[in-house]
Amino acid sequence: DVQLVESGGGLVQPGGSLRLSCAASGFTFSGYWTHWVRQAPGKGLVWVSVIKTDGRSATYADSVKGRFTVSRDDATNTLYLQMNCLRADDSAVYYCIKDFGGPEDSWGQGTLVIVSS
Amino acid sequence: QSALTQPASVSGSPGQSITISCTGTSSDVCAYKYVSWYQQHPGKAPKLMIYDVSERPSGISNRFSGSKSGNTASLTISGLQAEDEADYHCTSYTNRGTYMFGGGTKLTVL
Repeated sequence: DVQLVESGGGLVQPGGSLRLSCAASGFTFSGYWTHWVRQAPGKGLVWVSVIKTDGRSATYADSVKGRFTVSRDDATNTLYLQMNCLRADDSAVYYCIKDFGGPEDSWGQGTLVIVSS
Repeated sequence: QSALTQPASVSGSPGQSITISCTGTSSDVCAYKYVSWYQQHPGKAPKLMIYDVSERPSGISNRFSGSKSGNTASLTISGLQAEDEADYHCTSYTNRGTYMFGGGTKLTVL
């Protein structure tokens, strides 16, 4: 079965950094673009980033560009999101997704990030 | 970048049909076939119901259908059931190589 398990969330002060991880299993991780989407409590979904299968090509939402960096390690089937200069409005549940918007779309359970002093 | 526009809420009685709209621009919804719809129950991760405007993933009921006309995509749920009560989110690829979501629509089954 496809599994995506996010980790690394927690409480961080404004201006701080956090690195999220997403451990993938049950499919050929290296063959899929993988995305991050976030959802603030009680709010809608917001697309954050995508990294292509080459591991070098990535795209970001304007709201995180320059502060967040997505990467992948196909040897360990792990997706990462390095988040720097965090702000209160970055507080959200962060989901990793395989094949976002495609026939094999699959989401993790999410990890909660709270940015607060 | 503004979000795609969805109604905040819709409602219907069991057995009825409802349609949720998702309005974008010529830079996203109108220009690409990459429009998807997600269902989200409280406390759960979103679940893909429609992709590529009108395609259903394996295992999704044919009560769910999607369409698009110009800048507006639509999700129709026929034969409403109690378990359909959830939030529904549309998303589209954009000409900037990014993706955009709508604000979400709360479906209430009366």
